[in-house]
Amino acid sequence: AQSVTQLDSHVSVSEGTPVLLRCNYSSSYSPSLFWYVQHPNKGLQLLLKYTSAATLVKGINGFEAEFKKSETSFHLTKPSAHMSDAAEYFCVVSESTGFQKLVFGTGTRLLVSP
Amino acid sequence: DAGVTQSPTHLIKTRGQQVTLRCSPKSGHDTVSWYQQALGQGPQFIFQYYEEEERQRGNFPDRFSGHQFPNYSSELNVNALLLGDSALYLCASSLPNPSEQFFGPGTRLTVL
Repeated sequence: AQSVTQLDSHVSVSEGTPVLLRCNYSSSYSPSLFWYVQHPNKGLQLLLKYTSAATLVKGINGFEAEFKKSETSFHLTKPSAHMSDAAEYFCVVSESTGFQKLVFGTGTRLLVSP
Repeated sequence: DAGVTQSPTHLIKTRGQQVTLRCSPKSGHDTVSWYQQALGQGPQFIFQYYEEEERQRGNFPDRFSGHQFPNYSSELNVNALLLGDSALYLCASSLPNPSEQFFGPGTRLTVL
């Protein structure tokens, strides 16, 4: 069975400082990994995805994540936080073949202060 | 190009009632998945429809059922509503092979 663990329920940063949201995964298969963002009253938006190509994945809005198989981690980073980054972030795993059942983590709420 | 649309936006029901939620996929997509997101939790997979058939089902009781129409739109039906069914219900559309799932804004269901 696949699962993801998001290590922090809340992360608080100041605008302009780096962001680190941590995620560990468990998968019996070669996984696909994703980060989604959810703003209040809006649908989930895909930030980036890893599908067994380059281990450093660049996404939208300056976010990137690094797939580390030895550590079973897929942490999300951004060099400089913006106020508009405040939202809920979900780490997601799925099988890389077959139809795609997404397994979500419990989410990390990112708070950005001025 | 319209994205994934869901209706209604909000819904209030009482225990024991039945509810139907609707989803129209993104143009060109023929696969629809449904997820339940309880307050403070990540979305949980309910089931996925492709070619008008249920392809895979998550750990949800038979009270949860669905349908996909020839135009690829989909319905989620929940019978005998419980208080614990209160949640945001998300629809996602995609192509059948592993590909990005595009999510709609969701339907907020409140069961009193």
